[in-house]
Amino acid sequence: NAGVTQTPKFQVLKTGQSMTLQCAQDMNHEYMSWYRQDPGMGLRLIHYSVGAGITDQGEVPNGYNVSRSTTEDFPLRLLSAAPSQTSVYFCASGGTGGAYGYTFGSGTRLTVV
Amino acid sequence: AQSVTQLGSHVSVSEGALVLLRCNYSSSVPPYLFWYVQYPNQGLQLLLKYTTGATLVKGINGFEAEFKKSETSFHLTKPSAHMSDAAEYFCAVSEGSNDYKLSFGAGTTVTVRA
Repeated sequence: NAGVTQTPKFQVLKTGQSMTLQCAQDMNHEYMSWYRQDPGMGLRLIHYSVGAGITDQGEVPNGYNVSRSTTEDFPLRLLSAAPSQTSVYFCASGGTGGAYGYTFGSGTRLTVV
Repeated sequence: AQSVTQLGSHVSVSEGALVLLRCNYSSSVPPYLFWYVQYPNQGLQLLLKYTTGATLVKGINGFEAEFKKSETSFHLTKPSAHMSDAAEYFCAVSEGSNDYKLSFGAGTTVTVRA
């Protein structure tokens, strides 16, 4: 089925560990982004990309790294996990100009202990 | 920069009653406006959007929203609530075709009473 695929769905990390959250889309969308969702705060933009080789920071980029080597994939790397990064992470993709709305993945629930 | 305010973090309605979720935004340019719904343990699904043209937009599941520029609002309504409407709803804004980035409100959780 076409859409945005995120892996893993659940992850528990120890403080200081690193990991990569995977995101792939098969809709040939230019735009991809990562959000984190915390209770009472809605979704906050971490990083985004407007095409292969182009990335930029969002509202809450500290502690996260991204790259976009292909149109399809947009992995999010946690460099040294901290308890404050416990959250639900969503990847989204969208077509030209943002007028069509965005397609969201099903999320990754991350717990840092 | 744009921002979104959703009035009321929780709304409880009776089955068959009107659902009204309020959203106000700020944007320095003509905005694109969106409503998303999130069911428990799922991702976000687009309900409806306003980009240009008709200010009353209809979406899925009987929802609609009206863009009121003078009030900087984009309230979501459904005439008759169904039990399946119980979910969290998010209003979001982007700065039109110049900006891909979405800013989200804090969300409103809807509970439907039988």
